[in-house]
Amino acid sequence: DIQMTQSPASLSASLGETVTIECLASEDIYSNLAWYQQKPGKSPQLLIYDASSLQDGVPSRFSGSESGTQYSLEINSLQSEDAATYFCQQHHDYPFTFGSGTKLEIK
Amino acid sequence: EVQLQESGPGLVKPSQSLSLTCSVTGYSITSNYWGWIRKFPGNKMEWMGYISYSGSTSYNPSLKSRISITRDTSKNQFFLQLNSVTTEDTATYYCARALPWGVMDAWGQGASVTVSS
Repeated sequence: DIQMTQSPASLSASLGETVTIECLASEDIYSNLAWYQQKPGKSPQLLIYDASSLQDGVPSRFSGSESGTQYSLEINSLQSEDAATYFCQQHHDYPFTFGSGTKLEIK
Repeated sequence: EVQLQESGPGLVKPSQSLSLTCSVTGYSITSNYWGWIRKFPGNKMEWMGYISYSGSTSYNPSLKSRISITRDTSKNQFFLQLNSVTTEDTATYYCARALPWGVMDAWGQGASVTVSS
């Protein structure tokens, strides 16, 4: 199985700041990476797929990028509603696998 | 707008079978792929498997001997059965619509299942 190593496990940032969450794939996944946001008590919501394609309706403050097998989710101009846990998921090969999640707190 | 809703028992005894239903509205399950994902206490997420628009299935090898995903197209529902459960199967179970390339773009609200005697 492809392992997805996600970091950090948690972070705290202030309103208006920019944060970056990273996922490292154990092998080449050819940009087949998705990012999800999950708020407490809610189901995951797709933010980004294919590493950098923004899902319809997702604010442009969210962006994805890649460098080799390292994938990043950047959130600009943090809003209070961005407080959530974020997961990456590789959709290159079965079984699809997820990162361990990053809990984002807004100060 | 597609909506998914999981239903089923919230408590299952060890060694028994876990059975969940995902009811889909606003979209036909004869299109795209329909999967089950679970989230364990502590946040770990696991893709369990899916059933395709044609009825073919793909399962996580870690579960392959215990899992079955089926569907009823007349009711626009698909189902999860997980046999011989243990306490390690305690999790929140989500059903989701998956695009052909494996991205889950619509999720149910989740069903919490506890395995305990």
